[in-house]
Amino acid sequence: EAAVTQSPRNKVAVTGGKVTLSCNQTNNHNNMYWYRQDTGHGLRLIHYSYGAGSTEKGDIPDGYKASRPSQENFSLILELATPSQTSVYFCASGDARGGNTEVFFGKGTRLTVV
Amino acid sequence: QQNVQQSPESLIVPEGARTSLNCTFSDSASQYFWWYRQHSGKAPKALMSIFSNGEKEEGRFTIHLNKASLHFSLHIRDSQPSDSALYLCAVSWPNYNVLYFGSGTKLTVEP
Repeated sequence: EAAVTQSPRNKVAVTGGKVTLSCNQTNNHNNMYWYRQDTGHGLRLIHYSYGAGSTEKGDIPDGYKASRPSQENFSLILELATPSQTSVYFCASGDARGGNTEVFFGKGTRLTVV
Repeated sequence: QQNVQQSPESLIVPEGARTSLNCTFSDSASQYFWWYRQHSGKAPKALMSIFSNGEKEEGRFTIHLNKASLHFSLHIRDSQPSDSALYLCAVSWPNYNVLYFGSGTKLTVEP
């Protein structure tokens, strides 16, 4: 079974502070993704990556940065956290063959910005 | 830009019922269509996929795809309480490396 591990699982941050969410995958997948999930919005794509050193903007990238230092690791960085970024964040990984292969999700990080 | 819409937002059905969930998309050139299921507090997990017009059945679950109508659906036969979850449809187009999700349908199957 493909494995995607997120840390931390829960985080409380102060407004204006810096937050880093980490993700590690052992699937040897090229593609990695960060989504956020809010009630009524499903999963919205923030950033994604095609491999080490690559980051691409998704549909809602404002206020977020991403870093892919290696095949296995993909981080999401909130430089100046705001209450509107309170959400559940999911990391995922997928094969480079793309749309006809399954994407595997981590268990999520619940972030609360106060 | 892909626009994926789901209906209904929520659904309550009795155990044993047939359940239908709907998804529309905005680009007829779309090629890869998925249903993911997310139990409460858990990670989304792929349930089924379809890549060409028609129907695909796996156990109690069936997907229908009609690209001309920009519509695909998930049908659950003999719904069980364990099917209670958030169902998310997704389309992998125009960027086939990315999944574009709908807002989800919350299904509750009552015993």
